[in-house]
Amino acid sequence: DTEVTQTPKHLVMGMTNKKSLKCEQHMGHRAMYWYKQKAKKPPELMFVYSYEKLSINESVPSRFSPECPNSSLLNLHLHALQPEDSALYLCASSQGAGVRDTQYFGPGTRLTVL
Amino acid sequence: RKEVEQDPGPFNVPEGATVAFNCTYSNSASQSFFWYRQDCRKEPKLLMSVYSSGNEDGRFTAQLNRASQYISLLIRDSKLSDSATYLCVVNTNAGKSTFGDGTTLTVKP
Repeated sequence: DTEVTQTPKHLVMGMTNKKSLKCEQHMGHRAMYWYKQKAKKPPELMFVYSYEKLSINESVPSRFSPECPNSSLLNLHLHALQPEDSALYLCASSQGAGVRDTQYFGPGTRLTVL
Repeated sequence: RKEVEQDPGPFNVPEGATVAFNCTYSNSASQSFFWYRQDCRKEPKLLMSVYSSGNEDGRFTAQLNRASQYISLLIRDSKLSDSATYLCVVNTNAGKSTFGDGTTLTVKP
């Protein structure tokens, strides 16, 4: 079973709202990722967690705040977003964060910021 | 120059055709390579990992040429359901995957 789940599927929020995206996997993977994908563009890496510790932050604005409560869960807290942050947010997981580890993606949360 | 480059296409082919995509990468230290497919408004799904000896999965064949720093994907006997964007992914540093911009394939009846 290579399933990564994400909730919600769709989210519309105003620029003053606070919301959270959730990601879950039960494959025993120890690395989890957040990506942002704009239309007709490839996914852009935002954050990597390895063994529940943040290992990579790709200079993402502080209005995005990741959290990894345990090895199966990954959250992305959103606050004071801008309309240009509207995108598909993808979560992925892999066995480890090694260079040969294959990433499996969740279905994504389509975010619209008004 | 981009780290990973793909021909964006679009490739429009009839059913049953054979089509090949290439992907070039700039970092000679790159260690692992993947092809993903992504349908419109869906997540990327792993199609194949690419090994140095080349590998085949049904109608799909992937090849790696380290000397020339490119990987390829060959699709034989194209089906309508193969229509998608194909993403080339290269891993160089642990935890970081670099995606190509994708190649769009449309298979027509």
